[in-house]
Amino acid sequence: TQLLEQSPQFLSIQEGENLTVYCNSSSVFSSLQWYRQEPGEGPVLLVTVVTGGEVKKLKRLTFQFGDARKDSSLHITAAQPGDTGLYLCAGRPTGANNLFFGTGTRLTVIP
Amino acid sequence: DAGVTQSPTHLIKTRGQQVTLRCSPISGHKSVSWYQQVLGQGPQFIFQYYEKEERGRGNFPDRFSARQFPNYSSELNVNALLLGDSALYLCASSFRESPLHFGNGTRLTVT
Repeated sequence: TQLLEQSPQFLSIQEGENLTVYCNSSSVFSSLQWYRQEPGEGPVLLVTVVTGGEVKKLKRLTFQFGDARKDSSLHITAAQPGDTGLYLCAGRPTGANNLFFGTGTRLTVIP
Repeated sequence: DAGVTQSPTHLIKTRGQQVTLRCSPISGHKSVSWYQQVLGQGPQFIFQYYEKEERGRGNFPDRFSARQFPNYSSELNVNALLLGDSALYLCASSFRESPLHFGNGTRLTVT
C-alpha cells in the first residue's frame, strides 16, 4: 500500500484548461513537496509546504497543504504544453527521516 | 555547479547477475538517498546515507546494499538480479534532510 495516493493517475487536457491534482494520506506530514518529472530525467522540486492550510503560488501553479497536514492539492490555471509531465507529491511523515513519494499523476496538455 | 551525476545511464543485465550503480552528489551535500522507480509509478525509497552512515532503509530485500564514501559519493549494489529489479534507479543528494536534488537516474533492464 502507498502512503500517499494521488488522483487522477492520468490526465489529458486541452491547452488553456484548468486542472487540479490531489495527494491524500491517512498520515500526518511535517512537510509536503511537489515535484515534476520529465521523461529521461529525475524529479525536480517545485515547492515545499510546511504549515497546515498554507497556500503557495508559482506562476500559474497553486499549491495547498491541508489544515490537518494529511493532504495537498496542485491547481494549474490555463495549462500549457510545457506543463506536460509526471507530477509527484512527496512527504516526510512526522518523526521520519525518509521522504515518501506518491503514486504520481501523468499530465498531458494537448496544443 | 554540477548537479547530481549518476553512472551508467543505461545498463542491461541478466537474471542472477550483480550490478553496481554510482552517484556523485552536489558539492557540499553530505546526504545521499537512493530510490527505485518502476515504470509508471512514483519513486520508492531504498536507502539514505548521511556522513557515511546509513540513516534509513526502505522495504527492500537484503540483495540491495549501499555505501557512502569519504567524498560523499555513493554506490548501490544489487545482487542476484531478478526481472522485477528492472527500473529507473534515482540518486538524490541534499545538504541535510531536504530539499532533495535528483540525478537523471540509471535505467536498469534485467533480461
